[in-house]
Amino acid sequence: GAVVSQHPSRVICKSGTSVKIECRSLDFQATTMFWYRQFPKQSLMLMATSNEGSKATYEQGVEKDKFLINHASLTLSTLTVTSAHPEDSSFYICSAPPSQEGNIQYFGAGTRLSVL
Amino acid sequence: TQLLEQSPQFLSIQEGENLTVYCNSSSVFSSLQWYRQEPGEGPVLLVTVVTGGEVKKLKRLTFQFGDARKDSSLHITAAQPGDTGLYLCAGGQDSNYQLIWGAGTKLIIKP
Repeated sequence: GAVVSQHPSRVICKSGTSVKIECRSLDFQATTMFWYRQFPKQSLMLMATSNEGSKATYEQGVEKDKFLINHASLTLSTLTVTSAHPEDSSFYICSAPPSQEGNIQYFGAGTRLSVL
Repeated sequence: TQLLEQSPQFLSIQEGENLTVYCNSSSVFSSLQWYRQEPGEGPVLLVTVVTGGEVKKLKRLTFQFGDARKDSSLHITAAQPGDTGLYLCAGGQDSNYQLIWGAGTKLIIKP
C-alpha cells in the first residue's frame, strides 16, 4: 500500500505556543488529505479536508483560525495548532487517498500533542 | 446525516474463541473498509469490499459486504492475542474521498 509519513510523532509544548504537524505522501500524489483528531478509545473525528492549491474545508465546530491547514504541494499538507491550550492535547492523524484507489485512505502514524 | 453503527464497542474474549464485529447503516456505500489501529499509531487498512455480497478472507479474518451494500461484518476465527486492537469500519461514497466512520470496536484477546 501507499505510504504516508507524519511528523513529529510526539510533541510537548507550553500553553500559548504554536505547533506544526507535517503530513507527506511518500510514493503518490495527493490532491486531498484529511486531518483527524482522536480521543482515547474513540473513533476518528474528521477535522478538515486539505485541498492542494486551495483553502481547506473545515468540519462544523472546528475553528479554522485555531487549526491552520496549508496544502502547498501534491505531497505535503501541514496542520498548525495556533496558541495551543491544554484542551488541544490529543492524538492528531492525517490521511491521504491515492487518486487511483477510490476511497481508500492511507494514514500517517499520528502525532501525540501534549500542551502543558 | 449518514451514520455507520458499529457493534460491539468493546469485546474481551479468551484466546481461541471466535467473534464477529458488525457495521450497519441505512445508507448505501460504494465501498466499505476495515482498519485496525494499535495504541499510538495510525489505522492500518485491512481490506476494502466494493461489491454487494462480497466476501474476502485475510488468514483468520473474514470480511463480508451486505447484498445491499449497507452493512458489513468482520469475523475472526480462533482469535489470538496479536489480534488485540481497535477495529474501525468506514464507508466510502463515489462523490468524494470522505469516509463515514464507525465508532470502533476495542478488542482484547486474553491469553
